Amino acid sequence: NAGVTQTPKFQVLKTGQSMTLQCAQDMNHNSMYWYRQDPGMGLRLIYYSASEGTTDKGEVPNGYNVSRLNKREFSLRLESAAPSQTSVYFCASRASGTFYGYTFGSGTRLTVV
Amino acid sequence: EDKVVQSPLSLVVHEGDTVTLNCSYEVTNFRSLLWYKQEKKAPTFLFMLTSSGIEKKSGRLSSILDKKELSSILNITATQTGDSAIYLCAVPIQGAQKLVFGQGTRLTINP
Repeated sequence: NAGVTQTPKFQVLKTGQSMTLQCAQDMNHNSMYWYRQDPGMGLRLIYYSASEGTTDKGEVPNGYNVSRLNKREFSLRLESAAPSQTSVYFCASRASGTFYGYTFGSGTRLTVV
Repeated sequence: EDKVVQSPLSLVVHEGDTVTLNCSYEVTNFRSLLWYKQEKKAPTFLFMLTSSGIEKKSGRLSSILDKKELSSILNITATQTGDSAIYLCAVPIQGAQKLVFGQGTRLTINP
């Protein structure tokens, strides 16, 4: 089925470890996004990529890096994980020219101990 | 700073009740407001509202924008346990390059 695929679905890290969250979409969307969701705080934008080859910071970029590998893939890297990065992470993509054409992945639940 | 605020943050009602969820916004160059329903995983799109003021309906759900009050409401009538979810309000900003989300309302429907 067409959509946004995130891996892994669950991950436990120790403080200071690094990891990369992977995201791929097969809808030929130009724009891709990484959000984090914490209880009572909605979704907050970490980084986004308006097109292949470009990335920009969102609301909460500190402690994260991203790579737009090609049009399909947008990865999020935690270089040195901290307990404050315990969250649910969502990747999304958007069709150009629409306000509502966002498609979200199923999320990655990350716990940093 | 662009801001979206939802209320209440949490609501518990009995099956069959009617609920009203609120969303207010302060954004530059407002063009539309989106409502999403989030059950266990990814948010799913419900409605898009614009300044036209046209009410959107889908079954027992309806939503409308009040341009003067800079707010929107989402109504759910004859609630069912399957309506239990987090309801998110979001506003596209910067030419829809980004979405600013409210905190969400966690709705629980008890049988």
